[in-house]
Amino acid sequence: AIQLTQSPSSLSASVGDRVTISCRASQGITSALAWYQKKPGKAPKLLLYDASSLESGVPSRFSGSGSGTDFTLTISSLQPEDFATYYCQQFDNYPPLTFGGGTKVEIK
Amino acid sequence: QVHLVESGGGVVQPGRSLRLSCAASGFTFTTYTMHWVRQAPGKGLEWVAVLVYDGRNKYYADSVKGRFTISRDTSKNTLYLQMDSLRDEDTAVYYCARTRGPYSSGWYFDYWGQGSLVTVSS
Repeated sequence: AIQLTQSPSSLSASVGDRVTISCRASQGITSALAWYQKKPGKAPKLLLYDASSLESGVPSRFSGSGSGTDFTLTISSLQPEDFATYYCQQFDNYPPLTFGGGTKVEIK
Repeated sequence: QVHLVESGGGVVQPGRSLRLSCAASGFTFTTYTMHWVRQAPGKGLEWVAVLVYDGRNKYYADSVKGRFTISRDTSKNTLYLQMDSLRDEDTAVYYCARTRGPYSSGWYFDYWGQGSLVTVSS
């Protein structure tokens, strides 16, 4: 199974900061990567797919990049509603589908 | 408007069984591949099982293979997860989720249910 390693596992940031989250795959997955936002008590929300395609309705401050084994989620200007945990998920080689361990974005 | 509504969660003893349901509406159920994903307390997301849109192909995570069964009732637009021989480590919120796009081979999820809590405890 492909393993996804996210870093950092948590970070503290202020409103307006630029935030970058990394996701590294244990083997190449072309661009078959999605990013989700998860808040406590809520269902995950799809942010990006195919590594860099923005899901409809998601603010443009969210962007994604990368291919192969290294991927990045960037929030250009952190907003109060963005404090959450973010997960990457690969869909290149399955089953099983796999998720990264998550990155918790907290308020500084 | 797409809606996925899970039900059937609760407290169950180790070794017992439970069946989760996910009622789907707002889309053509038989054309979408559907999944179960879970999140244990304080842990990350874990994919559990998938039922391909053809209704025949099913796949499972190794952690549940042989114990859980995914199925659907197309007359009720409902997805199920039959969970047998439950273990403490199966305690989690279980979400049903839809693959983005009909007949899609790109298995990522655009709609999720609200989740159903399963607690396995003696």
